[in-house]
Amino acid sequence: AQSVTQLGSHVSVSEGALVLLRCNYSSSVPPYLFWYVQYPNQGLQLLLKYTTGATLVKGINGFEAEFKKSEASCHLTNPSAHMSDAAEYFCAGSGLNNDMRFGAGTRLTVKP
Amino acid sequence: SQTIHQWPATLVQPVGSPLSLECTVEGTSNPNLYWYRQAAGRGLQLLFYSVGIGQISSEVPQNLSASRPQDRQFILSSKKLLLSDSGFYLCAWSVTGNTIYFGEGSWLTVV
Repeated sequence: AQSVTQLGSHVSVSEGALVLLRCNYSSSVPPYLFWYVQYPNQGLQLLLKYTTGATLVKGINGFEAEFKKSEASCHLTNPSAHMSDAAEYFCAGSGLNNDMRFGAGTRLTVKP
Repeated sequence: SQTIHQWPATLVQPVGSPLSLECTVEGTSNPNLYWYRQAAGRGLQLLFYSVGIGQISSEVPQNLSASRPQDRQFILSSKKLLLSDSGFYLCAWSVTGNTIYFGEGSWLTVV
């Protein structure tokens, strides 16, 4: 079964700095991978998804993720953090049997 | 457009009592359906998923069960609740390879 691991439960960056949120997956077949963001007291919002094709996927709000099959990773980046990016971020993956699994989440704090 | 409804929104139940959370999806056919539990620091824990009527895959729980009596209906049940069953439960649906859409969630407090 597909499993997803997010490295680091909490990441803190300064405003304008690079954001890097790490996600690794385990599977013997190429999965479907997603990044979601959850703002306080809100539901999950899709940032981006990877299915097939280009390994660099651009999402909303300046976020992008690079899918590296050799590393089984799909890390999320943003070149310049904004205060409004403070939220919880979830990596999720689904294998061919449609089991959608989420990582434990990474809370992003942006300092002024 | 597709919609997903989940109820009840909040529920306070005594230990040992039964549970039934219901979820229905409208505007799509043969969706993949999911039940998750969200806990602080643990993300969304997949409890059950279903790719078709009567097809249920169980991930974790021992005293919880799920059923899919109709194509767009997914029910989470328990015969006897435990204190540890307290939490926030989310129903969700997706089409294979695409994003997942969540219901409003149900807060369950077992007392």
